[in-house]
Amino acid sequence: SAVISQKPSRDICQRGTSLTIQCQVDSQVTMMFWYRQQPGQSLTLIATANQGSEATYESGFVIDKFPISRPNLTFSTLTVSNMSPEDSSIYLCSAPGQGGVQYFGAGTRLSVL
Amino acid sequence: GEDVEQSLFLSVREGDSSVINCTYTDSSSTYLYWYKQEPGAGLQLLTYIFSNMDMKQDQRLTVLLNKKDKHLSLRIADTQTGDSAIYFCAESMTGGGNKLTFGTGTQLKVEL
Repeated sequence: SAVISQKPSRDICQRGTSLTIQCQVDSQVTMMFWYRQQPGQSLTLIATANQGSEATYESGFVIDKFPISRPNLTFSTLTVSNMSPEDSSIYLCSAPGQGGVQYFGAGTRLSVL
Repeated sequence: GEDVEQSLFLSVREGDSSVINCTYTDSSSTYLYWYKQEPGAGLQLLTYIFSNMDMKQDQRLTVLLNKKDKHLSLRIADTQTGDSAIYFCAESMTGGGNKLTFGTGTQLKVEL
């Protein structure tokens, strides 16, 4: 399995501000993934974070709103920029363990006032 | 695009078996997963099945995969109140480097 540590676990933020979420994996992985879970909804992929290159964003998500860093093979950050109440969600990162099986962090619960 | 569908709710009595169903569309998925999400918690990997398998059993959990019908099911034997949660199926997307497409989630309620 892969152990994925994510922080903060939760935060309450004011609209117009930005929050950076950190994700640490206990092993080196080529790709890490960031997902959003809006209230009462399923998970939607935001982007794939590749080490050494720019993140690949899914339709409906843009780099200006969700900049991602991937400085090394065990760490990634997702920033939620210029937040509005519509950004209130759970944000989760995932990474593959042995054989490519996907594991998730505990998530960051974000509330925007 | 790929759609993964699940029924929204399932209610069972404690001690009974629960069966949660999922249909998917990407016939070349590598892995199919079941995750559990309890209230206020993150996503816990319950089990997964490789696409060349038909069945996988792990203690109280049995996963059945019907590739012809693109149907995945999760059976929980002797369901307990602690099994009450939302269950998501997910498929790995072809050529996506293991990124996942999730189903809508099934809320399982276990009644005494």
